[in-house]
Amino acid sequence: DTEVTQTPKHLVMGMTNKKSLKCEQHMGHRAMYWYKQKAKKPPELMFVYSYEKLSINESVPSRFSPECPNSSLLNLHLHALQPEDSALYLCASSQDWGQIGNTIYFGEGSWLTVV
Amino acid sequence: AQSVTQPDIHITVSEGASLELRCNYSYGATPYLFWYVQSPGQGLQLLLKYFSGDTLVQGIKGFEAEFKRSQSSFNLRKPSVHWSDAAEYFCAVGANGNQFYFGTGTSLTVIP
Repeated sequence: DTEVTQTPKHLVMGMTNKKSLKCEQHMGHRAMYWYKQKAKKPPELMFVYSYEKLSINESVPSRFSPECPNSSLLNLHLHALQPEDSALYLCASSQDWGQIGNTIYFGEGSWLTVV
Repeated sequence: AQSVTQPDIHITVSEGASLELRCNYSYGATPYLFWYVQSPGQGLQLLLKYFSGDTLVQGIKGFEAEFKRSQSSFNLRKPSVHWSDAAEYFCAVGANGNQFYFGTGTSLTVIP
């Protein structure tokens, strides 16, 4: 069973809406991630937080805004999205970032549809 | 540059038959190798991982994988496939602790 919990499981939003995806882990991991996944494709890294600080932003458009309120929580704020942003958004965590042998654990994902 | 190749986009097997999914990697140093499974509508679940030691790794759900350095491969196997194994399978390589590369995935269909 995954120990990375994501809410909501499904989200439909208009292009002018503001919404947020939430993620929580209680494994004591210090690194948390957001990935975007299109159908039948591998996940694509968006952001990495390490010790609550943004470490990696893979040139993600500013309409996606991550936030890490504490070591267990990770949010992804969404605003003025485009239909092509519709995808499965996966949160993940790992013990650390930049450590040899890092293993990444994924949540169940949030299905986002932009209309 | 690091890369992961899964040569088979789609595989169909009969229930009860054996399964082998191929994964080849390109990485200069010792890789850290993973297999994940993604059932329809679900997130990615870690099946198994290889860091060092015994090159035959056992995972969950009856899966195993063998690391072959000479062939730069990390193939996933299961002796008898169940209908519930139908899913997308991703091989991944971890490098330097902060880089993680996924293969393009293999879609498995299981027929009765």
